[in-house]
Amino acid sequence: EAQVTQNPRYLITVTGKKLTVTCSQNMNHEYMSWYRQDPGLGLRQIYYSMNVEVTDKGDVPEGYKVSRKEKRNFPLILESPSPNQTSLYFCASSSPSGFSYTQYFGPGTRLTVL
Amino acid sequence: LAKTTQPISMDSYEGQEVNITCSHNNIATNDYITWYQQFPSQGPRFIIQGYKTKVTNEVASLFIPADRKSSTLSLPRVSLSDTAVYYCLVGEPTYNQGGKLIFGQGTELSVKP
Repeated sequence: EAQVTQNPRYLITVTGKKLTVTCSQNMNHEYMSWYRQDPGLGLRQIYYSMNVEVTDKGDVPEGYKVSRKEKRNFPLILESPSPNQTSLYFCASSSPSGFSYTQYFGPGTRLTVL
Repeated sequence: LAKTTQPISMDSYEGQEVNITCSHNNIATNDYITWYQQFPSQGPRFIIQGYKTKVTNEVASLFIPADRKSSTLSLPRVSLSDTAVYYCLVGEPTYNQGGKLIFGQGTELSVKP
């Protein structure tokens, strides 16, 4: 089954404790992206990757890091989480080889930083 | 990057047709328009995509006027299960235009019995 998976689905942590949220896709997609979703603000892009070893900032990259060492995985790293990073996070992937390619989203990771 | 404007919320009743309009005045020539549906605690999922005129699939229709500065998602005969947030997105990741995307705030549709 074609899918995007995220782990963990739920996470409660404390300020300053480094964490990683994993994202994996099985569709051989070149493009992957991370979003955060907050009430009243919709989906905001954090980072994206057009292909392996190619990453770039989205709209709200501060406080986050990413890496893309292999095509299927795109982990999101919070080196020193703060309470304002409490949010619902989504990973997405697509194949940007033409003009009309849609994104497939993961199920989301709900993060709470105390 | 094209920014989008949608109504924040809409109410409807079962069996009615619902039209959600999205404004995107600075849409680029190559941009497609895509609509996503999101249920609570789930990731968004693709509903429909178009470039111009009208597109129809088994769940919705998408109307795009000639100037492409707006688009309207039409949901025929909605049911309670259509209660969700609907996002309009202009552009998709391509090698020509890059991967930076801006979603709008979305439209929260509430369908009542």
